[in-house]
Amino acid sequence: QVQLQESGPGLVKPSGTLSLTCTVSGGSISNDNWWSWVRQSPGKGLEWIGETSHGGATTYNPSLKSRVTISVDKSRNQFSLKLNSVTAADTAFYYCAGHGFYSLEWWGQGTLVTVSS
Amino acid sequence: EIVLTQSPGTLSLSPGERATLSCRASQSVSSNYLAWYQQKPGQAPRLLIYAASIRATGIPDRFSGSGSGTDFTLTISRLEPEDFAVYYCQQYDSSRMYTFGQGTKLEIK
Repeated sequence: QVQLQESGPGLVKPSGTLSLTCTVSGGSISNDNWWSWVRQSPGKGLEWIGETSHGGATTYNPSLKSRVTISVDKSRNQFSLKLNSVTAADTAFYYCAGHGFYSLEWWGQGTLVTVSS
Repeated sequence: EIVLTQSPGTLSLSPGERATLSCRASQSVSSNYLAWYQQKPGQAPRLLIYAASIRATGIPDRFSGSGSGTDFTLTISRLEPEDFAVYYCQQYDSSRMYTFGQGTKLEIK
């Protein structure tokens, strides 16, 4: 069974860059799948950030596109998220997820990233 | 961008009762592109239903999905104590965007 685990700093300073990595286990990231990042501000709903294919093709949420980069490292079975110029509004739980049939089938447990000085 | 509106915002029911949750899209959505998730406090969302009506692996048959076009429904036939949670619908569109509804909180009456 595919499992995902997010890792990265839990605290980022305003105007800095949020960087997270998702490690995939129990399966290869090079399978014919896409991989996404989703965030959820505390007590709020879900916001899709963007996705990458195993080959590195990407799609981003237009609302975040100017600040987001998602990349894949097949050798490590990982994919990553970078969000720059962060503000307090970017404080959220960040989840990585693996795609099923036009849906997000596998999810990491999530990691809280707080933007604060 | 397609907007999904879920209703009601909060649904108060008792164990054993039937729950009906609605998801309305601002434009027509292909049934293949509509999914439902359950999220409990402190946990990641869990995929329940994809392609509007197909249960994901391991999901009990008391959960069912239906609908087409702009109106979709998640039904829980007989509520179990573990079913009280927040439920989200999600759609995928031709620009490869995924969007979620704002959620319905199912609480114990």
